[in-house]
Amino acid sequence: NAGVTQTPKFRILKIGQSMTLQCAQDMNHNYMYWYRQDPGMGLKLIYYSVGAGITDKGEVPNGYNVSRSTTEDFPLRLELAAPSQTSVYFCASSYSANEQFFGPGTRLTVL
Amino acid sequence: GENVEQHPSTLSVQEGDSAVIKCTYSDSASNYFPWYKQELGKGPQLIIDIRSNVGEKKDQRIAVTLNKTAKHFSLHITETQPEDSAVYFCAASRTGTASKLTFGTGTRLQVTL
Repeated sequence: NAGVTQTPKFRILKIGQSMTLQCAQDMNHNYMYWYRQDPGMGLKLIYYSVGAGITDKGEVPNGYNVSRSTTEDFPLRLELAAPSQTSVYFCASSYSANEQFFGPGTRLTVL
Repeated sequence: GENVEQHPSTLSVQEGDSAVIKCTYSDSASNYFPWYKQELGKGPQLIIDIRSNVGEKKDQRIAVTLNKTAKHFSLHITETQPEDSAVYFCAASRTGTASKLTFGTGTRLQVTL
């Protein structure tokens, strides 16, 4: 199993541009999550999904959108990128209320 | 919502010594407390977790203790090794919340030779 995969690894955006961060898992996990990690801070939950077709906001959802059309994929969309969205983004998945498995992260810089 | 505080933010120990990281949480309904290790450039990885019906759990050199009354839990690493150097995060969640984790701000552990 590849586990949780994320693309791209790095990206630089200009202010106002849009992009989609890709996340996929091959463990047939129902639950998937998007976090952002700022320097010296813990991870903050952006959005999560408990199954295909179901998504909900986390702690810091403003400026982001998600979709969950399949069990495997959970893309995160940034519209009108802002410098405040410069961060490292992690996708995670879990089976029910158990261990969350994290992807390797996407480092995003907005200039 | 839940708030998790973690201390210290940095910790330096000599190889072979023990390291202790402490966390407190605010939501008395929280019942799942995992600890994650994050190495440079990688995603967090679960190293141990504890549920509220247990007071202590051990896995080789790693142990976690939970005090529900005081709402705090701690990570203990014994006989530290250089490969233990990393950032450690505590987290908390409760049943019925889709396993949404609230993380502490992390502890950078440096094990020196």
